[in-house]
Amino acid sequence: GAGVSQSPRYKVAKRGQDVALRCDPISGHVSLFWYQQALGQGPEFLTYFQNEAQLDKSGLPSDRFFAERPEGSVSTLKIQRTQQEDSAVYLCASSSTRGAGYTFGSGTRLTVV
Amino acid sequence: GENVEQHPSTLSVQEGDSAVIKCTYSDSASNYFPWYKQELGKGPQLIIDIRSNVGEKKDQRIAVTLNKTAKHFSLHITETQPEDSAVYFCAASRGAHNAGNMLTFGGGTRLMVKP
Repeated sequence: GAGVSQSPRYKVAKRGQDVALRCDPISGHVSLFWYQQALGQGPEFLTYFQNEAQLDKSGLPSDRFFAERPEGSVSTLKIQRTQQEDSAVYLCASSSTRGAGYTFGSGTRLTVV
Repeated sequence: GENVEQHPSTLSVQEGDSAVIKCTYSDSASNYFPWYKQELGKGPQLIIDIRSNVGEKKDQRIAVTLNKTAKHFSLHITETQPEDSAVYFCAASRGAHNAGNMLTFGGGTRLMVKP
């Protein structure tokens, strides 16, 4: 596609529910990043994939957060047993091997009630 | 780890005036400094970036300066227009994204351009 596509755009979850957020990167982009953006703040790094390999997951806030990219294309960020503090916009970004900078998707706004 | 501070948090200017946003960073190994513009309901969009081997870069009405010794960099927007109104983020990284180097973002500046 022309850009990074994320779905759903909005997700409301009851506390304790599991959620899955999807990211479709730009075709052919090797690198894929997930960031978490709390209201009124800058994005914070969660995890990084190079193709299907998750090379850095140091930013995942707890073991309730899990990400995968099994075929080196689409990625899914899963949050188990959601808590109110998980409420944020989750941004996905992809980058080509030429290192021309990230392209971000529009994000998924997660609200945990 | 890296820490990026950004000032001011809000900035209001009259259309046609200039706007300056400043950032400082802590990691001397950082060598890539992009600026992003984020409009409501959208993801951040890269508007300009600078690498550590360059002191200044300009693209039409936008310019960025870097002082590696002082560990600070700034965004300059001249002849501001209402469509420049958005939240701007600075960021720092140790290198190329294809090598997995993550970005550390500043807290953002809400720029309002009054017509």
